Amino acid sequence: GEDVEQSLFLSVREGDSSVINCTYTDSSSTYLYWYKQEPGAGLQLLTYIFSNMDMKQDQRLTVLLNKKDKHLSLRIADTQTGDSAIYFCAESTPGGFKTIFGAGTRLFVKA
Amino acid sequence: DAGITQSPRYKITETGRQVTLMCHQTWSHSYMFWYRQDLGHGLRLIYYSAAADITDKGEVPDGYVVSRSKTENFPLTLESATRSQTSVYFCASSEGRQTEAFFGQGTRLTVV
Repeated sequence: GEDVEQSLFLSVREGDSSVINCTYTDSSSTYLYWYKQEPGAGLQLLTYIFSNMDMKQDQRLTVLLNKKDKHLSLRIADTQTGDSAIYFCAESTPGGFKTIFGAGTRLFVKA
Repeated sequence: DAGITQSPRYKITETGRQVTLMCHQTWSHSYMFWYRQDLGHGLRLIYYSAAADITDKGEVPDGYVVSRSKTENFPLTLESATRSQTSVYFCASSEGRQTEAFFGQGTRLTVV
């Protein structure tokens, strides 16, 4: 079945890069997403990548997709305390309404 | 205000009671979703709707009922609340099937 896995916690120092990893099982996934959830709020889409792409860069964010290994990563350059949040990896498959979310990675940024 | 709003933000109810969580969006998005968020599980889809009067089950629909008589509203009802339904519930909407989903702020429900 479909499954998305990610590590639950990551701690980095302010100014360092953060790399959040995710693995998924459905090889037919067409879109892969990264959502950010700040305390007490809903999820907000950070970025997404089509399955036919290897990389996408958007300012401080870099998404890498290894389709062969079904591995997705989100790199945040120059991590700031405001980046502290939970980051969710998600996949959607062709023809389906369902977007499958991982359990979320809580990012702690130490000043 | 434009956007997607959920009410109430917090609710405490007793086991066996019926409770309805409201969701309203102002974009006229076709698709609406209800998720529950539990520690260690991430978001799990309860029900979704592709348009008014069209709803379908998600991953964890048991104990829940939805309706969509109007495009902008998608209420979620717990017919007889159980402690296992204590969770944070998120409503979301999107324009298309795989386009960006916009989330409400969530409803924290506690069943005692």
